[in-house]
Amino acid sequence: EAEVAQSPRYKITEKSQAVAFWCDPISGHATLYWYRQILGQGPELLVQFQDESVVDDSQLPKDRFSAERLKGVDSTLKIQPAELGDSAMYLCASSFSGSSGYTFGSGTRLTVV
Amino acid sequence: KNEVEQSPQNLTAQEGEFITINCSYSVGISALHWLQQHPGGGIVSLFMLSSGKKKHGRLIATINIQEKHSSLHITASHPRDSAVYICAAAPAYNTDKLIFGTGTRLQVFP
Repeated sequence: EAEVAQSPRYKITEKSQAVAFWCDPISGHATLYWYRQILGQGPELLVQFQDESVVDDSQLPKDRFSAERLKGVDSTLKIQPAELGDSAMYLCASSFSGSSGYTFGSGTRLTVV
Repeated sequence: KNEVEQSPQNLTAQEGEFITINCSYSVGISALHWLQQHPGGGIVSLFMLSSGKKKHGRLIATINIQEKHSSLHITASHPRDSAVYICAAAPAYNTDKLIFGTGTRLQVFP
């Protein structure tokens, strides 16, 4: 069964360092989402791509976060510099269209120390 | 008030019990999703429904569009069902968006 691949699975970084996460969506899925999930809460959308274009990044803290999907396939989310409050699970999801359902990756658990 | 609310927040059960998790939403929707998340894990999609009822194994999801309410039922619960169950609404005004509830943490004891 096709999966959304994410790496790394876990990441520990010191505050003020840069960190990057990678996501490879299911082949053919035009829409890619990055979510942040703080422990005990539901996921919060950070950025949504349609192919290589950003559709919604209204909740992305643009002073320190950036995301790209250069060829409209895989995507990278970067944080620079990381802060203690960035500790969370970062989830990637993809869909062919919203009405066809979503597939989530296993996430990257980030701990900032 | 959140647009998607779940109850209860936490639920414990003995193995074999029938479980019900409720979800209420305040927006018009194109679909309602039920998702499962094991501790420290990613999210697995269980159901996407826009009307009526769906069943998969011991899991049943129902939705009442008029009342803006959905339920997830687990029959003959098992310790491996222990997870966080999340309800998410795809609003009619933007079908590519999901509005998440805060989740229900279920623990099933043997």
